[in-house]
Amino acid sequence: ELKVEQNPLFLSMQEGKNYTIYCNYSTTSDRLYWYRQDPGKSLESLFVLLSNGAVKQEGRLMASLDTKARLSTLHITAAVHDLSATYFCAVDSDFGNEKLTFGTGTRLTIIP
Amino acid sequence: DAGVIQSPRHEVTEMGQEVTLRCKPISGHDYLFWYRQTMMRGLELLIYFNNNVPIDDSGMPEDRFSAKMPNASFSTLKIQPSEPRDSAVYFCASKQYPKNIQYFGAGTRLSVL
Repeated sequence: ELKVEQNPLFLSMQEGKNYTIYCNYSTTSDRLYWYRQDPGKSLESLFVLLSNGAVKQEGRLMASLDTKARLSTLHITAAVHDLSATYFCAVDSDFGNEKLTFGTGTRLTIIP
Repeated sequence: DAGVIQSPRHEVTEMGQEVTLRCKPISGHDYLFWYRQTMMRGLELLIYFNNNVPIDDSGMPEDRFSAKMPNASFSTLKIQPSEPRDSAVYFCASKQYPKNIQYFGAGTRLSVL
């Protein structure tokens, strides 16, 4: 059974600081997704990482994928309040199957 | 496009009642997914369809849950009879093969009393 673990589960950080969220998964996969969810809202796609070494950046967020280590990171640079949300990573369960297994989520709170 | 549309947004019902959740995927998308989100179990895939055909329903918790997709623009998730432990937010998502991104609806918050 595919397991996807994120850490930390909760993260409170000051504006202007940098931090990284980690996503580990337990089986071979070459497709990893990052989503954002605001409180009481739906999930919004942030990044799709499709190969080993893939790096994507959008504004203050940068995501990377190491398929050999089964690890993805979401790096936040110079955090601002608008980035407060819950961030999920998700992994394809296996080839030929469209199922996504989601991590537990990381609730990020940016403090002014 | 209006995105994935779910209805109702909120549903409060009593234990034992039948509940039907509805989803309209994005036009042209050939995959549809139903998820359930709770504090205890996180975000779980219940079932997904490809071209209106159920492909994997291994996440459906028990026989009280059923899902249908009679056509490309409509799907339902039914719970009969409902129980308090079914209280959760239910999301519908759709995607268009071979693109990878699933687009989520706003969700239905279900409370079973």
